[in-house]
Amino acid sequence: GESVGLHLPTLSVQEGDNSIINCAYSNSASDYFIWYKQESGKGPQFIIDIRSNMDKRQGQRVTVLLNKTVKHLSLQIAATQPGDSAVYFCGGGIQGAQKLVFGQGTRLTINP
Amino acid sequence: AAGVIQSPRHLIKEKRETATLKCYPIPRHDTVYWYQQGPGQDPQFLISFYEKMQSDKGSIPDRFSAQQFSDYHSELNMSSLELGDSALYFCASRVRQTYTGELFFGEGSRLTVL
Repeated sequence: GESVGLHLPTLSVQEGDNSIINCAYSNSASDYFIWYKQESGKGPQFIIDIRSNMDKRQGQRVTVLLNKTVKHLSLQIAATQPGDSAVYFCGGGIQGAQKLVFGQGTRLTINP
Repeated sequence: AAGVIQSPRHLIKEKRETATLKCYPIPRHDTVYWYQQGPGQDPQFLISFYEKMQSDKGSIPDRFSAQQFSDYHSELNMSSLELGDSALYFCASRVRQTYTGELFFGEGSRLTVL
């Protein structure tokens, strides 16, 4: 079945440091993976996605790494800012299927 | 820019009552998704619609039903409400032919069942 989960539920980092949020998945059929950010009281917000035929993709201050061998996904946030404080969800889907499955979130806290 | 609109934002119901949530997708978006998020939980996929037809189904209880109308708005109907139905319900939309994982979420409807 489909399952996407995270290693750690909470992560605290100092402002300005880099953050790495990890995620494990079990569904090898997923052909794309995503990261979303959810601030308190708001809906999830798309950050970045990566196709299963890629191992790295960069966005603005974020990098997603995909290791299909060990079914592992990570999100790297460079120079974290207070506005990065949120819960981060990884997820996966199959192209053509209108279904996106989220895993358990990681709460990222930025310390001043 | 226009966003996904959900109503009502807050709803309080008694057990065994019925509730209806509405979602108005971003203009020209043809696909709508519904998610349920319990306290401290990840969003659970319920159901999706494309061009007014059910597209995919997730963990939606039989007590729930949904549809997408000709103007692309969608409604989630929940009957025989249970305490465990208390959650945030999110609607999201996108254009189906955009081959990315980006869904545009609304601010959610918070349902409290007493």
